[in-house]
Amino acid sequence: NAGVTQTPKFRILKIGQSMTLQCTQDMNHNYMYWYRQDPGMGLKLIYYSVGAGITDKGEVPNGYNVSRSTTEDFPLRLELAAPSQTSVYFCASRDTGTVNIQYFGAGTRLSVL
Amino acid sequence: GNSVTQMEGPVTLSEEAFLTINCTYTATGYPSLFWYVQYPGEGLQLLLKATKADDKGSNKGFEATYRKETTSFHLEKGSVQVSDSAVYFCALSASYSGGGADGLTFGKGTHLIIQP
Repeated sequence: NAGVTQTPKFRILKIGQSMTLQCTQDMNHNYMYWYRQDPGMGLKLIYYSVGAGITDKGEVPNGYNVSRSTTEDFPLRLELAAPSQTSVYFCASRDTGTVNIQYFGAGTRLSVL
Repeated sequence: GNSVTQMEGPVTLSEEAFLTINCTYTATGYPSLFWYVQYPGEGLQLLLKATKADDKGSNKGFEATYRKETTSFHLEKGSVQVSDSAVYFCALSASYSGGGADGLTFGKGTHLIIQP
């Protein structure tokens, strides 16, 4: 059971570089989410999607972009990396019509130097 | 807005000790409440949940009761093991069961360390 898969696991970026964090799920879930986790803090919602072609901002969307071309994939794009984006990023998904139980990937640890 | 407050860590206990991790919340309406656990190097896993007042969620010896009158959802376990060492997150979902695509609102997490 793959569940939610995130790549890469670790990445170091220089200020101003760009990158895409990949997320894919094999549970046929319509809802997908991106969170960031800063040290000593809970997770904060960046973006979410309710299905292919539909995305919306969460609590901390600035500096990020997303797309959802398929049910399975929900990549997160950083266009101009800044030190404030150093964090651990988690992707999650859930089924519709159920209690909001979300399934998380193992995370991507990103450092911007 | 919605918020979750949980006790600061780290919490260090000896094996077989009793565990309580406090969690209180602020939300309008009738949120669903969750405890997630994060083992080192892994993503979050659902530990237990409760969707209405007085519900008790339980799993792997852990329990938490949804107390609307005190807006609390404290996590308890009668006898902890070294393998319970992890970070525990209390979270809420503001949407009523089955509705809405909202994200979860998380507490800051409590790092639990169990010593043999």
